Amino acid sequence: GAGVSQTPSNKVTEKGKYVELRCDPISGHTALYWYRQSLGQGPEFLIYFQGTGAADDSGLPNDRFFAVRPEGSVSTLKIQRTERGDSAVYLCASSLGAGHPNTGELFFGEGSRLTVL
Amino acid sequence: GENVEQHPSTLSVQEGDSAVIKCTYSDSASNYFPWYKQELGKGPQLIIDIRSNVGEKKDQRIAVTLNKTAKHFSLHITETQPEDSAVYFCAGGGADGLTFGKGTHLIIQP
Repeated sequence: GAGVSQTPSNKVTEKGKYVELRCDPISGHTALYWYRQSLGQGPEFLIYFQGTGAADDSGLPNDRFFAVRPEGSVSTLKIQRTERGDSAVYLCASSLGAGHPNTGELFFGEGSRLTVL
Repeated sequence: GENVEQHPSTLSVQEGDSAVIKCTYSDSASNYFPWYKQELGKGPQLIIDIRSNVGEKKDQRIAVTLNKTAKHFSLHITETQPEDSAVYFCAGGGADGLTFGKGTHLIIQP
């Protein structure tokens, strides 16, 4: 596709459930980022992949959060035992550039809005 | 780590007037400062960026200035138009990654 694609666009779940959010980056982009955006806040860094490996996962809030990118393209953000405080928009971005911090354009998807009841 | 402060949180200007959004950062090692525009229901989109070896950069109606000594940078939009209405985020790039400000909701009054 032309841009970064994220699915689902909306996810409503109950406290304690497991959730997976998917990101399909722009073809050829080796760098992939996950951010979390709470209402009225800027994007907050979670994890950065260069190729298949997580080069920086320092933004993951705790061990309930995990992300993979097994073939260096599509990435999945996994959240176990969801809590109400996990409710936010989860943004994925990809970039041609390598290195962290990225000093080139980040192309963001439209996000997955997660609501934990 | 880096801390980026952005103000104002909301800015309302008359169509055709200029808008200025200001950000400060804490990490003197930061060397990359992008600005992103986010429309409702969309992801942020890069509108302009500046690196620490440059003091000012312009792109049509948009300009960004950087003062490394004072650790602040600003976005200037001239001749504002209705399509400029959105939330704008500044960000600073340091050794620990890119840190975003909390955003400014820019409202263009007709």
